[in-house]
This record gives sequence, structure tokens and C-alpha cells, in this order.
Amino acid sequence: GQSLEQPSEVTAVEGAIVQINCTYQTSGFYGLSWYQQHDGGAPTFLSYNALDGLEETGRFSSFLSRSDSYGYLLLQELQMKDSASYFCAVRDPWNQGGKLIFGQGTELSVKP
Amino acid sequence: NAGVTQNPKFQVLKTGQSMTLQCAQDMNHNSMYWYRQDPGMGLRLIYYSASEGTTDKGEVPNGYNVSRLNKREFSLRLESAAPSQTSVYFCASSRLAGDQETQYFGPGTRLLVL
Repeated sequence: GQSLEQPSEVTAVEGAIVQINCTYQTSGFYGLSWYQQHDGGAPTFLSYNALDGLEETGRFSSFLSRSDSYGYLLLQELQMKDSASYFCAVRDPWNQGGKLIFGQGTELSVKP
Repeated sequence: NAGVTQNPKFQVLKTGQSMTLQCAQDMNHNSMYWYRQDPGMGLRLIYYSASEGTTDKGEVPNGYNVSRLNKREFSLRLESAAPSQTSVYFCASSRLAGDQETQYFGPGTRLLVL
């Protein structure tokens, strides 16, 4: 089956750097995605890695190592507004039409 | 573009009542999904539809039915609501570009069953 593991909670201070890890098990791999969800809101897409390495988008970066079945989301220059839940996700390899499998989410708390 | 819209935004039901949650997308996506999210929990897939006319069960389908009315609309029905169905319900549609699937979520429906 397919599964993803990520820490349930992470706490960091404003201005710091935080890394949210995700390990996955899947029988077929099509890349690793990250979503952000503010309290009570809709999840929104953040990033996607298909190949090994680091992808940078402003203060956020996402890393993938396919050989280790591991990725992380790196948030730099943390701001209070970054307090949210972050989900990693992989495609279900058995559904060609598309279906994502989400991790349980990591709640990030940014303290002043 | 409105993206993914959901109605209603809030609903209170009594145990045993029925209701239909509406979802529509204007992005011409083939696939649509219904999730539930309980406090402090992740997203659990209830049902999904890979294309107009097809629906499949997800992780937690019991107590729910769905209808893919057309390409735009995907509704979720609770025939006899139970307190265990108190949750936030998210509808989503997805775009597939090569190997990358990106899901777009609606604002959610907050349901309380008394």
C-alpha cells in the first residue's frame, strides 16, 4: 500500500528556518507535493518535486531524494502567517485518472 | 474563475436528517473528490470521481452517497446523519499535467450533527 509519515507538530520562532520532513512508501512514484492549510481554511498547493534536488519558491523550498523515499519542506525567514498545517502527498499509482494520498499533516506553530 | 465552490458553508442537522452538499468547479477538470477533516486530523477521502459518470469509494464511504451530475458538479449526500459525521467537508478537483496532479479545494462545509 501507499503511506506517508510526517511529524505531527513543529514549533519555531519568527525569523528562523524550519524543516518539515516526509517519508513515503509507494509502489509507484510520480513525485512529491506539498500543501498548506491555514486553520479552518482550504488546503492550497505549495510545491511539487518530480526529480531529486531542491526546488525554491521564494521563502519556501522543497527537497526530494527518491533513493531515500524522503522529502522535506524548508521554510526560511519564518513569519507568523506561516503558522499552518503542511501536508505532503503522492499520487496513487493505481489510479491513472489521478488521486492523491496525503500525509497526516504537520502543524507548524511560529512563535514571536 | 470562481475555482471550486461549495454550498452551504455551514449546516446544523439533527440525527437522522438528510442533506446534500453541493460542489461545483469551473476549471474543466475531469477528477473531483470529497474529503472530510476532523479537528486536528488529516484529510480522509470519502468518494471520488475520475470523470463524468464514474464514482468510486475512498477511505471512509460508509453513510455517504455521491452523484457526478455533470463535469462541473459533484454532490455528497448524507441520507441519515449521525453525530459521527460532524466534520468539515472539502470538495476538490484536480488537474493532471504529465505526472503531476494538483488538487484545488473548495472553502469547505462545516457540518454539525446534533
